[in-house]
Amino acid sequence: ILNVEQSPQSLHVQEGDSTNFTCSFPSSNFYALHWYRWETAKSPEALFVMTLNGDEKKKGRISATLNTKEGYSYLYIKGSQPEDSATYLCASLDNYGQNFVFGPGTRLSVLP
Amino acid sequence: NAGVTQTPKFRILKIGQSMTLQCTQDMNHNYMYWYRQDPGMGLKLIYYSVGAGITDKGEVPNGYNVSRSTTEDFPLRLELAAPSQTSVYFCASGNTLTGAQYFGPGTRLLVL
Repeated sequence: ILNVEQSPQSLHVQEGDSTNFTCSFPSSNFYALHWYRWETAKSPEALFVMTLNGDEKKKGRISATLNTKEGYSYLYIKGSQPEDSATYLCASLDNYGQNFVFGPGTRLSVLP
Repeated sequence: NAGVTQTPKFRILKIGQSMTLQCTQDMNHNYMYWYRQDPGMGLKLIYYSVGAGITDKGEVPNGYNVSRSTTEDFPLRLELAAPSQTSVYFCASGNTLTGAQYFGPGTRLLVL
């Protein structure tokens, strides 16, 4: 089973702060990586789908980078807002697998 | 499109009872998944399907069964409910193996 880790486990920032967190995955046989945003009492929603080393994706104030050689992806949030409060999940797929393995998530709280 | 729908939203079962969690998607996706989410843990894959008539075990399949007779429906069956199956269950679908997954609203199950 692929091991996907995320850090930190939780994070509290002030409104307006920029922040980032990490997803680590085995670099061998990498195939694809997803980032999801999961608000309380809702279901996960896809943010980014990344497949190529060096990929950088952006959606509004949120962006993500991918390093498949060293096995990590960063998610950045610029100028955090209270509505950014959520758990951010990453999920990785390797060449051998038929399905994604999810990390435990980073819980972000943005304080007004 | 309704996307991915799940029923029921919440259910209480007694130990040893059986039930079926329903999942339907109207996006004509080939890939469908069942996850469970336990407190403080990430999403764990129970079963998945790559198309009608094809299902396979995920990371935590014990105590569950699935079927996929149509593209739209992917029910999850619990035959003999146990307290360890108390969890929130999410169904998801995707168009391709590496593409984003679309999640249903979840079913909260309590086994007493």
